[in-house]
Amino acid sequence: QVQLQESGPGLVKPSETPSLICTVSGGSISSDDWSWIRQPPGKGLEWIGYIYYSGRTNYNPSLKGRVSISLDTSKNQISLKLNSVTAADTAVYYCARGGGSLALWGRGTLVTVSS
Amino acid sequence: EIALTQSPGTLSLSPGERATLSCRASQSVDNYLAWYQQKPGQAPRLLIYGASSRATGIPDRFSGSGSGTDFTLTISRLEPEDFAVYYCQQYGSSRTFGQGTKVEIK
Repeated sequence: QVQLQESGPGLVKPSETPSLICTVSGGSISSDDWSWIRQPPGKGLEWIGYIYYSGRTNYNPSLKGRVSISLDTSKNQISLKLNSVTAADTAVYYCARGGGSLALWGRGTLVTVSS
Repeated sequence: EIALTQSPGTLSLSPGERATLSCRASQSVDNYLAWYQQKPGQAPRLLIYGASSRATGIPDRFSGSGSGTDFTLTISRLEPEDFAVYYCQQYGSSRTFGQGTKVEIK
């Protein structure tokens, strides 16, 4: 069955631009849309954005200009870049299959922003 | 941006009782609404999509209703594994999540 696995840098410094990767196994990323969601420690879920299988993207307006989602079909991966991070970007970052309702999620990766 | 307001913030109930969770949208999302369950340390799990359709493998004690701006998730009889945080999410215009309702053991 399809499985998702997020990976990321763990600890980053303020103003850096970390890249997170979602590796998909058991299926092709070319046949679905994909989303990124984050959750600050002890808080609720925040939608970051999604990418259609065609490559078209849609981002949370509150993050627009700082976020970029792309597909690497050769590696079957979805990537997320977040520019100029601050402590407010500290969160567990999840990838999920779908652009609307999200039926399949990865386990998430914690990104901590601290100097 | 469409805002989702969930109520109550916390619901204290006993196993076997009925749980009724509310999600209100700041403008109509038609039936483009989903519900998720999240347990500590785990990713969210999709329960309901399209306001009332159960996701694969979800027990029939979970049901969703509503359209437009007012939605309800009902758990007919709470099982011990149902105590968790529940989020609604709209995908009618961009995407947003509600702030969550915690269902705790009374």
